[in-house]
Amino acid sequence: GAVVSQHPSRVICKSGTSVKIECRSLDFQATTMFWYRQFPKQSLMLMATSNEGSKATYEQGVEKDKFLINHASLTLSTLTVTSAHPEDSSFYICSARVSLGNSPLHFGNGTRLTVT
Amino acid sequence: DQQVKQNSPSLSVQEGRISILNCDYTNSMFDYFLWYKKYPAEGPTFLISISSIKDKNEDGRFTVFLNKSAKHLSLHIVPSQPGDSAVYFCAASGLRGGYSTLTFGKGTMLLVSP
Repeated sequence: GAVVSQHPSRVICKSGTSVKIECRSLDFQATTMFWYRQFPKQSLMLMATSNEGSKATYEQGVEKDKFLINHASLTLSTLTVTSAHPEDSSFYICSARVSLGNSPLHFGNGTRLTVT
Repeated sequence: DQQVKQNSPSLSVQEGRISILNCDYTNSMFDYFLWYKKYPAEGPTFLISISSIKDKNEDGRFTVFLNKSAKHLSLHIVPSQPGDSAVYFCAASGLRGGYSTLTFGKGTMLLVSP
């Protein structure tokens, strides 16, 4: 079945540093990937839509210079949290859809980011 | 403005009984609905979906019902098992910037006790 792999699963970094999270579609090509964020006891909030070969589309209130997204190939999208601060600490999850139209999103296992 | 609502943050059920998780939505443009199961520190796992042209979809112990006029859907799990204990998210599919994206509810934590 479709598998989305996300790495790392957990990262702790110091305030002011940048962190890169990778999302790979393992057995299918994904022209579009979606990055979500989840705060404790909250829903999954869509941050941005990552498009292969073009600029990402960011949701309202999400800083594109803060959360850099690169989708360089059909199987890889990266999210870089730049100059991280403690308030960026969260659970970040990527997802992709195998086929177009009404079909499920498949999620990676998420990345727990802790900024100290 | 929360377009997908799960009004029950938690639900406790005994093993063997039926679990009913509810979800309401406000956007009439949603045409595809999904349920995901999520364990702590893991990504959501797809469970079952339903298109707006249907009112019921069944897969093993899981059945999803859709009432379009009430903008309400529910997930029935029967019989419930302790391994079903997790957070369940309802999601609805809609277009955003030309892409079909999912809007999630806040989730309902299901606890199935032996």
